[in-house]
Amino acid sequence: ETGVTQTPRHLVMGMTNKKSLKCEQHLGHNAMYWYKQSAKKPLELMFVYNFKEQTENNSVPSRFSPECPNSSHLFLHLHTLQPEDSALYLCASSSTVGLAGEETQYFGPGTRLLVL
Amino acid sequence: KQEVTQIPAALSVPEGENLVLNCSFTDSAIYNLQWFRQDPGKGLTSLLLIQSSQREQTSGRLNASLDKSSGRSTLYIAASQPGDSATYLCAVSGYSTLTFGKGTMLLVSP
Repeated sequence: ETGVTQTPRHLVMGMTNKKSLKCEQHLGHNAMYWYKQSAKKPLELMFVYNFKEQTENNSVPSRFSPECPNSSHLFLHLHTLQPEDSALYLCASSSTVGLAGEETQYFGPGTRLLVL
Repeated sequence: KQEVTQIPAALSVPEGENLVLNCSFTDSAIYNLQWFRQDPGKGLTSLLLIQSSQREQTSGRLNASLDKSSGRSTLYIAASQPGDSATYLCAVSGYSTLTFGKGTMLLVSP
């Protein structure tokens, strides 16, 4: 276990549904990230939060809405998704946003999302 | 824009073989390079991290090298075991982001 948990692990939703993904880290980190992993594509960074403030939004459609109420929790609210949004959504955390030196990110197990 | 390429996309070897996974990147202005392992249905686990000023890192049967000027890294796995079967991802770091390759899917058969 990496100290980063995600729920649910699997989710099936219709295009008109609203759902939320949850991520929690128990590592005392200050930065949290959402990534999308689609079949046959590299991991894509979606959002970065540092001390609860969003520092990066990688041109993500507004049907994905992140929320970071504190440094330990990160949510991804989903509404009116499309079938092409089906993917593995990974959460990660790091002690700081800067990745110089030996800083690394710790990943959760992911939520496998299927949009019908 | 940084791009990371991993070759081969898939590799199947018998147990005991030594093998090399390749990673190349287009922009040499990186802070570090990391190799991750991803098992089916699970997240990523960091295996080795090489800082931009370093040439290689070793952990057990794993050895990773970095040639920043040519934009290349290799992951060497010695005496492969069935438990090494997984997808191996290479990632290079900018200031606050990791750019990943698509990965190499490795299968080690008994």
